[in-house]
Amino acid sequence: AQSVTQLGSHVSVSEGALVLLRCNYSSSVPPYLFWYVQYPNQGLQLLLKYTSAATLVKGINGFEAEFKKSETSFHLTKPSAHMSDAAEYFCAVSETGFGNEKLTFGTGTRLTIIP
Amino acid sequence: EADIYQTPRYLVIGTGKKITLECSQTMGHDKMYWYQQDPGMELHLIHYSYGVNSTEKGDLSSESTVSRIRTEHFPLTLESARPSHTSQYLCASSGGQAFGNTIYFGEGSWLTVV
Repeated sequence: AQSVTQLGSHVSVSEGALVLLRCNYSSSVPPYLFWYVQYPNQGLQLLLKYTSAATLVKGINGFEAEFKKSETSFHLTKPSAHMSDAAEYFCAVSETGFGNEKLTFGTGTRLTIIP
Repeated sequence: EADIYQTPRYLVIGTGKKITLECSQTMGHDKMYWYQQDPGMELHLIHYSYGVNSTEKGDLSSESTVSRIRTEHFPLTLESARPSHTSQYLCASSGGQAFGNTIYFGEGSWLTVV
């Protein structure tokens, strides 16, 4: 069974500061890992994904994440926060193989940017 | 950019009414999903389909039903809406492992039952 834990339901950072959103996963097989962003009253937009290639993954809007198998982590970072980054961020895991592409989501982290 | 569309975006309906939330995708994806999300909460899978005439219940029990008669269409129906059904419903699709298992989402349908 797969699961995702996002540490911190709310994170606030100042504009221009480093953004770090934490995600730990559990999976019985090599996982695919995703970060999605959700703006108010909208659906989910894919930020980036890890699918067993490079462990450092670059996504849209300047975000990146690093897959660390030894720590079972996939933390999301951005060097300099913008006001437009304020949103809800979801980490998700999908188990590879067996044709199983069901995503299991974390509980989400609401990112607030302080001017 | 994913081509997956949901209608209606917003719906307010009375208790006991029948509703259908529409979802269509133009990417030819075999796999489609419905997730339910209460405000400020995580997403829960309620239905999925791996192809035409294939439907399965997800991890969260739901009184809704789905059908998959055409590849591109995956509607969700509530026969008798109740206030407890008030939520956001997100439709998604995936092209499978050949596309990196990426699941693309529509913009969601906000349902309010009064």
